[in-house]
Amino acid sequence: QSALTQPASVSGSPGQSITISCTGTSSDVGSYNLVSWYQQHPGKAPKLMIYEVSKRPSGVSNRFSGSKSGNTASLTISGLQAEDEAEYYCCSYTGSSISVVFGGGTKVTVL
Amino acid sequence: EVQLVESGGGLVQPGGSLRLSCAASGFTFSRYWMNWVRQAPGKGLEWVANIKEDGSAKYYVDSVKGRFTISRDNAKNSLYLQMNSLRAEDTAVYYCARDVVPLFWGQGTLVTVSS
Repeated sequence: QSALTQPASVSGSPGQSITISCTGTSSDVGSYNLVSWYQQHPGKAPKLMIYEVSKRPSGVSNRFSGSKSGNTASLTISGLQAEDEAEYYCCSYTGSSISVVFGGGTKVTVL
Repeated sequence: EVQLVESGGGLVQPGGSLRLSCAASGFTFSRYWMNWVRQAPGKGLEWVANIKEDGSAKYYVDSVKGRFTISRDNAKNSLYLQMNSLRAEDTAVYYCARDVVPLFWGQGTLVTVSS
């Protein structure tokens, strides 16, 4: 049950776009369109930003978008804002023992 | 509105036991897989266990197998995690979350294992 691989940190200036990658294997990300992305501010519970690779829950800004290619999923934040500064985690269904696996998290810093 | 409220966390000595509860409301509890996910201080999210809608299937991360037991009571709209033989490395905030790949999360309950 290895974790998905995310960059430790990504930064950008207000208004810019950034992309966070999430690399798994053919047993998880590559095989299922069941990848979610969460935003977490310090001391708070994770908040769902993207589910099923590219779907956005009601209430989440359309500045957030998701995609997938092969074994790598990506979260793009466009028009970066100060409030986007947070930790972001990806998560994928694995099909193995019907479990899920998380990425290690990416700290997004707004310069 | 979907609501998940965890309770039961606290300070426990190594080797001790604790039972976490999660009260669900705002949806038909018996129709969804449920998870426990934890987050150690300053660390990332770790999936712990999940349970099928009717409780007939349960899965665990290797590090808790044989020590933790997930269960549910659909009549009470409640999810549980019985934690035995607790270790220092089990110290974390424990979240209850709905769906196979979690979509809705509770606010978490802190478990501290220390002497």
